[in-house]
Amino acid sequence: GAVVSQHPSRVICKSGTSVKIECRSLDFQATTMFWYRQFPKQSLMLMATSNEGSKATYEQGVEKDKFLINHASLTLSTLTVTSAHPEDSSFYICSASGLAGGKVGAEQFFGPGTRLTVL
Amino acid sequence: QKEVEQDPGPLSVPEGAIVSLNCTYSNSAFQYFMWYRQYSRKGPELLMYTYSSGNKEDGRFTAQVDKSSKYISLFIRDSQPSDSATYLCAMSENPNDYKLSFGAGTTVTVRA
Repeated sequence: GAVVSQHPSRVICKSGTSVKIECRSLDFQATTMFWYRQFPKQSLMLMATSNEGSKATYEQGVEKDKFLINHASLTLSTLTVTSAHPEDSSFYICSASGLAGGKVGAEQFFGPGTRLTVL
Repeated sequence: QKEVEQDPGPLSVPEGAIVSLNCTYSNSAFQYFMWYRQYSRKGPELLMYTYSSGNKEDGRFTAQVDKSSKYISLFIRDSQPSDSATYLCAMSENPNDYKLSFGAGTTVTVRA
């Protein structure tokens, strides 16, 4: 199957700083990438969808000025959490789709996630 | 009320037992139903998907969908310690709909 990587896998930062998380599709071209947030014992919540070369579409309730998403190429998307606060601490997971022949028409391949802890 | 309800468990079973997982949902427009497996510190991977009502079998895994009851199930036969993971159900209204609605996930431990 297709491989999606995320970097870093874990980050601890001070309140008020910005953190950038990278999501890469390693062996396919991802026309669409997705960013999710997952709190302990809760569902994956879609934050935003990004298509290569265009602005991201944010879900209701997600602050676009706080969670900056850039999808500059078909293999890379970045999520920047600006002025992070303790309530932003969560598990952030990206996924990518675009590979023909996936199990479903829009199968999403998930990255391993990034654990963000804001002190 | 959440759109998709899934008991988070945890669920612990002995090796060889049948694991039974389920989700209920409220949106009657959902037609595509998926089960993802998520190992610790890894992203989810698609395990099975089904369309509309009915059963689908893949090796030791069987997925069932009952749209009339808005209830889906995943059964794992002859469970193995390697099946220990969190299982998430997900669903969408059509196969090209990127917006998946996920359950909270059920954590399963298979004891050797």
